[in-house]
Amino acid sequence: SQQGEEDPQALSIQEGENATMNCSYKTSINNLQWYRQNSGRGLVHLILIRSNEREKHSGRLRVTLDTSKKSSSLLITASRAADTASYFCATLTTSGTYKYIFGTGTRLKVLA
Amino acid sequence: GAGVSQSPSNKVTEKGKDVELRCDPISGHTALYWYRQSLGQGLEFLIYFQGNSAPDKSGLPSDRFSAERTGGSVSTLTIQRTQQEDSAVYLCASSSSSLAHGYTFGSGTRLTVV
Repeated sequence: SQQGEEDPQALSIQEGENATMNCSYKTSINNLQWYRQNSGRGLVHLILIRSNEREKHSGRLRVTLDTSKKSSSLLITASRAADTASYFCATLTTSGTYKYIFGTGTRLKVLA
Repeated sequence: GAGVSQSPSNKVTEKGKDVELRCDPISGHTALYWYRQSLGQGLEFLIYFQGNSAPDKSGLPSDRFSAERTGGSVSTLTIQRTQQEDSAVYLCASSSSSLAHGYTFGSGTRLTVV
């Protein structure tokens, strides 16, 4: 079953613009991560945010977490063509076994 | 090794045949996970191994699917009597027990059942 739902499903922007993707989830979490996937193969870990954190930055990435709304957002600033990929959120719930449940993903296309 | 290694990269098999997919995790990572991703979809959890504990098999879609992890390292995912709906990319990931840095994924095996 899917724990997370990303929004929008697809996003197309011009190079240099900012891209914002949202993730909503259903149950209480321990932490939430964002991953990038190029060409439908292996995923690359981008950033992890814990349930007691509200915002984290890594380079051009900014992640926010609102546990009261059960949602997170990923902002990519000054986007580049190389940022074209699918982006997934993954949640580690506070109950059940120790595994991440992935959302459905946002397909980002950055036009040069 | 430096990363998670999966083999083969691509596998085409005839319907009804058995296939084995291999995953070699990062040395020292105690946890190993298998996920499946159908075309354009999200990741579907299949099975999880943690150290010597009993695996979490809750995501295996049918009894045609099985997996083992030998010596706490290499894992093999076996699909018996393959069906066309089994066509997908099978992704393996490993992590430390603390999950402090998330998963490290392999490049996946693209399975096509014809």
